[in-house]
Amino acid sequence: QKEVEQDPGPLSVPEGAIVSLNCTYSNSAFQYFMWYRQYSRKGPELLMYTYSSGNKEDGRFTAQVDKSSKYISLFIRDSQPSDSATYLCAMWRDDKIIFGKGTRLHILP
Amino acid sequence: NAGVTQTPKFQVLKTGQSMTLQCAQDMNHNSMYWYRQDPGMGLRLIYYSASEGTTDKGEVPNGYNVSRLNKREFSLRLESAAPSQTSVYFCASSERAGQALWGYTFGSGTRLTVV
Repeated sequence: QKEVEQDPGPLSVPEGAIVSLNCTYSNSAFQYFMWYRQYSRKGPELLMYTYSSGNKEDGRFTAQVDKSSKYISLFIRDSQPSDSATYLCAMWRDDKIIFGKGTRLHILP
Repeated sequence: NAGVTQTPKFQVLKTGQSMTLQCAQDMNHNSMYWYRQDPGMGLRLIYYSASEGTTDKGEVPNGYNVSRLNKREFSLRLESAAPSQTSVYFCASSERAGQALWGYTFGSGTRLTVV
């Protein structure tokens, strides 16, 4: 079993919809949870990070962590075509960041 | 703008040729990393340098060597390129390995094709 599992998509949703992106993990040692956004032909950039179980909000983005279920989510409200990108979950343990494979998201105008 | 600079952006090599990918950061970060990204495989760590003067293997180090030239620069060398090394290579840096929760800053990548 991979330490971090993420559905690669692609996921296509109409503009204005709420988007839900998810990852599961198997290692309880993970302490910090992050979401990276990667536009086509660019490097990943850190979008949000969180530590504890619960929700963290930043504008239209909400990161959610459920440590008991080993499940993390990223919600995007009022999605825009500019949100079209690949979203990678990432988790930190033992001085290393382990990345999910990424989910490709298309927001349809 | 401050960040991570990778050169070259594109490269085509013949099987057996060698080349060095260059990476430099101007954020005074201690730790630097080399990843490769392949379709369906995600980001895989090749080598990393937790601090100047140290390097360690990651998940997929075979066929690669690295040099931490100074605090700013971390190079990746392919001694004898193989088609399986066709990939997009990303360099990243962080303030220090033990505080990776602040995330990595990535370069824009080098697209390498080995024919």
